[in-house]
Amino acid sequence: SQQGEEDPQALSIQEGENATMNCSYKTSINNLQWYRQNSGRGLVHLILIRSNEREKHSGRLRVTLDTSKKSSSLLITASRAADTASYFCATRGGGANSKLTFGKGITLSVRP
Amino acid sequence: DAGITQSPRHKVTETGTPVTLRCHQTENHRYMYWYRQDPGHGLRLIHYSYGVKDTDKGEVSDGYSVSRSKTEDFLLTLESATSSQTSVYFCAISEAGTGNLYGYTFGSGTRLTVV
Repeated sequence: SQQGEEDPQALSIQEGENATMNCSYKTSINNLQWYRQNSGRGLVHLILIRSNEREKHSGRLRVTLDTSKKSSSLLITASRAADTASYFCATRGGGANSKLTFGKGITLSVRP
Repeated sequence: DAGITQSPRHKVTETGTPVTLRCHQTENHRYMYWYRQDPGHGLRLIHYSYGVKDTDKGEVSDGYSVSRSKTEDFLLTLESATSSQTSVYFCAISEAGTGNLYGYTFGSGTRLTVV
């Protein structure tokens, strides 16, 4: 069963605009991660935020985590056509052998 | 992707035949995973391994088996392929101990079609 649920399912924006994607989850987590998948390729890890963190930055990416609302958001600033991809949130519970559980993904299209 | 390769990249097989997919890593990571990706379902975990000969089931393990006889190889076998197993299969690896601080590294996937 999916732990993370992304919203919206699809997003289309103009190059240069910011893209905001949301993820909600149901049970307590150790960390939450965001991945990108280009068409026909494997997933690429973008950023990880731990349950005791509220915000994290990496280049043009900003991720927030609100554990009280069980939600996270990924912001991509100044989007580029190359950002066109599917984005997935994934949650990891506690325990050494805990696994990542992925959402269904968000399709982002950035128009040149 | 660097350090992890999947083979074959594409395969067409007939219903009822056994199929084995291979995942090979050169990172010496302890943890290895098999996921399948289907439209409308995202990625679902099939099986995973936390060491040589140590494997466990994921959420969609029926009809699949795995083996890990060496750190670098994780095999996924469809014992008798069915059309519902037509999918894209991804292997992933993660480090032991620091697995909570780093994400997974994914292979490029195997597109399997069962006819």
